[in-house]
Amino acid sequence: QVQLLQSGAEVKKPGASVKVSCKTSGYTFTSYYIHWVRQAPGQGLEWMGWMNPNGGDTYYAQKFQDRVIMTRDTSISTAYMELNRLTSDDTAMYFCARAPTKAATTTAWGQGTLVTVSS
Amino acid sequence: DIQMTQSPSILSASVGDRVTITCRASESITRWLAWYQQKPGKAPKLLIYKASSLESGVPSRFSGSGSGTEFTLTISSLEPDDFATYYCQQYDSYSRTFGQGTKVEIK
Repeated sequence: QVQLLQSGAEVKKPGASVKVSCKTSGYTFTSYYIHWVRQAPGQGLEWMGWMNPNGGDTYYAQKFQDRVIMTRDTSISTAYMELNRLTSDDTAMYFCARAPTKAATTTAWGQGTLVTVSS
Repeated sequence: DIQMTQSPSILSASVGDRVTITCRASESITRWLAWYQQKPGKAPKLLIYKASSLESGVPSRFSGSGSGTEFTLTISSLEPDDFATYYCQQYDSYSRTFGQGTKVEIK
């Protein structure tokens, strides 16, 4: 069955970077876009961007354009989201999710990775 | 960016009630709208896509309607498992936006 398995919780200091992984299985990795969405504690969902594993092209939300990098390793069917220059406002649960095309919405999600930014 | 506004933010209802949540887009998104359900500590779950198409496996008591800038999610008869937070999301453009969410709580 389709699975998106994310890496474990992270604790980072302000100014540091974090790299979250999303290991996929049960489908052809390069056939589905990967989106990243985050959710601060008690808050709503915030879309961060998408990455096309077939070629690696990306599109980022304007808010994150200068701080986020989405990559992939097709040999292990894994997507990555790296967020730089962390502040306490980046404390959130980060989700990966797949979509069948650039124009489609996301249908299957990872379990989430909690990133805590604290000095 | 397209802004999405949901109402109400909180909805108190009882089992068996008919419930409607509204989502408005700041500009036309034709029918490129999805609805998600999220329970505490869990990832969102897709309910409706393309405004009114029911995702496979989702109970038929959920339905969506609308086009352009105004959309609704209706639960025809609320069940205990439906108490959760619901989000709309536009996917009309390369960029995506979620509404702020509607929490459906027990009355």
